[in-house]
Amino acid sequence: EPEVTQTPSHQVTQMGQEVILRCVPISNHLYFYWYRQILGQKVEFLVSFYNNEISEKSEIFDDQFSVERPDGSNFTLKIRSTKLEDSAMYFCASSRHKINTGELFFGEGSRLTVL
Amino acid sequence: DAKTTQPPSMDCAEGRAANLPCNHSTISGNEYVYWYRQIHSQGPQYIIHGLKNNETNEMASLIITEDRKSSTLILPHATLRDTAVYYCIVRVAARDDKIIFGKGTRLHILP
Repeated sequence: EPEVTQTPSHQVTQMGQEVILRCVPISNHLYFYWYRQILGQKVEFLVSFYNNEISEKSEIFDDQFSVERPDGSNFTLKIRSTKLEDSAMYFCASSRHKINTGELFFGEGSRLTVL
Repeated sequence: DAKTTQPPSMDCAEGRAANLPCNHSTISGNEYVYWYRQIHSQGPQYIIHGLKNNETNEMASLIITEDRKSSTLILPHATLRDTAVYYCIVRVAARDDKIIFGKGTRLHILP
């Protein structure tokens, strides 16, 4: 069964460093998403991406964040200068349709720890 | 901005049906009801969705009341692997790009 894969599974970084989280969505999917979950809190929407551009973003997704689909298969989330409060689990998701079905397929997540 | 209300936690005996309620009294006519779950710290998993008719798939059944103000997700024969946080979400299909998660119901399946 096709799945969304994310790397790395866990990354530890120093405050102020740049981090890139990578995702390989399911191959025939059209919409891509990043969510995050701070330990013990809700899963929060960050950004959606369609047709090579950001479709929607939340207030959390400020200028420190960027997304890119550099080669038609990978979908990356970059955090320019990490802060302690960026420590969280980051989930990538993809959707086959123009989200009419509301069925998002999530990866297993990348745990980011900022020291 | 909560559109749904769910109990924070529930217990269910293994092998029994787990019935998870959700209130969405302000749902509008073009909003669907979606259910997702999150097992431990894994990525959320889509379960089922519906508009007004009851729906069933290999994972669960979704029962929506006639006035659409509430719904129940039914896991017919709960197993220990069904222990998870279950999220009830309403959204407008074909317009909303995203799924917004609330706090959900933490379901404990007891052996």
